[in-house]
Amino acid sequence: DAKTTQPTSMDCAEGRAANLPCNHSTISGNEYVYWYRQIHSQGPQYIIHGLKNNETNEMASLIITEDRKSSTLILPHATLRDTAVYYCIVTSRGAAGNKLTFGGGTRVLVKP
Amino acid sequence: EAGVVQSPRYKIIEKKQPVAFWCNPISGHNTLYWYLQNLGQGPELLIRYENEEAVDDSQLPKDRFSAERLKGVDSTLKIQPAELGDSAVYLCASSLETGVQFFGPGTRLTVL
Repeated sequence: DAKTTQPTSMDCAEGRAANLPCNHSTISGNEYVYWYRQIHSQGPQYIIHGLKNNETNEMASLIITEDRKSSTLILPHATLRDTAVYYCIVTSRGAAGNKLTFGGGTRVLVKP
Repeated sequence: EAGVVQSPRYKIIEKKQPVAFWCNPISGHNTLYWYLQNLGQGPELLIRYENEEAVDDSQLPKDRFSAERLKGVDSTLKIQPAELGDSAVYLCASSLETGVQFFGPGTRLTVL
């Protein structure tokens, strides 16, 4: 699976959009980009995933560049409860199941 | 719909003692995963089950760790004997065959 690179940490203001970047320059054609987050003392929580097209759900939007070498997770209106470690993971899907390889993630602190 | 259930949430034992963790996946999910998460790091896969079969146990330290998933539903992860370095959070996740993985809250193990 392709390796991802994320900033170690970032702060954002409550009520503003939070843009979390992820580089995955070695991604291959059949690999998806997944985002999970982990709030303190909880298990990882699925946020969103995509292959090529931009995706949006009730939690966030995922913007994938045309060459697929990077992506951005957007939390449109960050709240204090969005403070967490955010993981960008690239993995292939198939009969073997998704294999999630977590890196260090980005520690996001939402400030009032 | 109930999520992944794990018990206990916390466990403190002395080294060389045995310990077991239990996981009940989301109803209908045939794939079950056990992950280990050390402090400050992302989760690492220990073992993956498809129904009753362990299809990927390459990262499971088989000298002291064992797992089972009888009847393809609940699963138990055991450590015998526990060592100080086993102190960590043990996470269980489940998914449909190639679907999104949903995680439980984890069991925090402290070995004294």
